[in-house]
Amino acid sequence: AQSVSQHNHHVILSEAASLELGCNYSYGGTVNLFWYVQYPGQHLQLLLKYFSGDPLVKGIKGFEAEFIKSKFSFNLRKPSVQWSDTAEYFCAVNAKNAGNMLTFGGGTRLMVKP
Amino acid sequence: DGGITQSPKYLFRKEGQNVTLSCEQNLNHDAMYWYRQDPGQGLRLIYYSQIVNDFQKGDIAEGYSVSREKKESFPLTVTSAQKNPTAFSLCARSIAGIQETQYFGPGTRLLVL
Repeated sequence: AQSVSQHNHHVILSEAASLELGCNYSYGGTVNLFWYVQYPGQHLQLLLKYFSGDPLVKGIKGFEAEFIKSKFSFNLRKPSVQWSDTAEYFCAVNAKNAGNMLTFGGGTRLMVKP
Repeated sequence: DGGITQSPKYLFRKEGQNVTLSCEQNLNHDAMYWYRQDPGQGLRLIYYSQIVNDFQKGDIAEGYSVSREKKESFPLTVTSAQKNPTAFSLCARSIAGIQETQYFGPGTRLLVL
């Protein structure tokens, strides 16, 4: 069965530190890749997405992610985090050879200390 | 708010009682979805619908039922067979098919008395 793994369940950083959250998926073929963010008390929002083209994708609020097909990875990065980035982050993948169902990782809770 | 309205924000039910969660969208999108969010497990698909009067089971459909009589509405009924004592259920929409970007509503927290 298809699966999406987010290796870090909890991350604590100080403001201005760099961030990288890992995301790996388990199946080949054509994939669409997403990162969603859920700020405290708010609904799940799309941060960025990759469908095709340049594997380095830029999203909102200074986030970016890089699709590395050979590693089945789509890691999320931000060079300098802010306190307002405190949230839970979810990676999600859908694959044409898996019925196009959107499969989510378990999420990573990021806490940024001021 | 993702163009999705979910109500209520909190819903209490007694054991053995069926309850219905509302999900409405005003963007004329074809596809709608229900997910359940559990700590450490991310979101898992309960049901989805790509056109009116048609819907498909997701990974955790047991104990739930849906209907799609109108394009803008996709209510979820939690039956007494659903054993999860508390659940955070999220409704989502996309323009057409399941392969497209999904946008989420604010969610409903279900609590068992």
